[in-house]
Amino acid sequence: EPEVTQTPSHQVTQMGQEVILRCVPISNHLYFYWYRQILGQKVEFLVSFYNNEISEKSEIFDDQFSVERPDGSNFTLKIRSTKLEDSAMYFCASSATRWQGTTGELFFGEGSRLTVL
Amino acid sequence: ILNVEQSPQSLHVQEGDSTNFTCSFPSSNFYALHWYRWETAKSPEALFVMTLNGDEKKKGRISATLNTKEGYSYLYIKGSQPEDSATYLCAYSGNTPLVFGKGTRLSVIA
Repeated sequence: EPEVTQTPSHQVTQMGQEVILRCVPISNHLYFYWYRQILGQKVEFLVSFYNNEISEKSEIFDDQFSVERPDGSNFTLKIRSTKLEDSAMYFCASSATRWQGTTGELFFGEGSRLTVL
Repeated sequence: ILNVEQSPQSLHVQEGDSTNFTCSFPSSNFYALHWYRWETAKSPEALFVMTLNGDEKKKGRISATLNTKEGYSYLYIKGSQPEDSATYLCAYSGNTPLVFGKGTRLSVIA
């Protein structure tokens, strides 16, 4: 069964360092997302990506964050200069159609846990 | 600010008990309500995507109902089994990407 894969599963970094989280979405999906969950809090939307550009982004997704689909299969989230409060589980997801329709279910990866020291 | 609330926060039931939990969401600009099942150390997995008021969906022992006018959805599990232990997330879709609730953590004791 096709699945979304994420690497690394866990990354520990020093504050101020750049981090890149990688995702391989399901191959025939068109919409890609990053969500995050800070420990004990809700899963929060960061950004959605369609047709090689950002389609929606939240207030969390400031200039320190960027996304890219460099080669048609990988979908990456870059955090330029990590802060302590960026420590969270980051989930990549993909969907065949936009979230508003009945087939807009999201397929999630297992997450990348980021710990900023 | 769009708010999706789930209750209870956690639930412990005996094997064989039936249980249900609630998701409340904004009733305006509604497009879809999603339910996801999230087992520890795994990825959240979609259970249902519901769009129509009054809709009821079923998958095995799990079913869900939707009331878009009053902004709530119920998830029911009949005859809970230990393998049902997980966090159940609901997510609301309006004209924005999915907004998630905090989840209901279900533990089924054998």
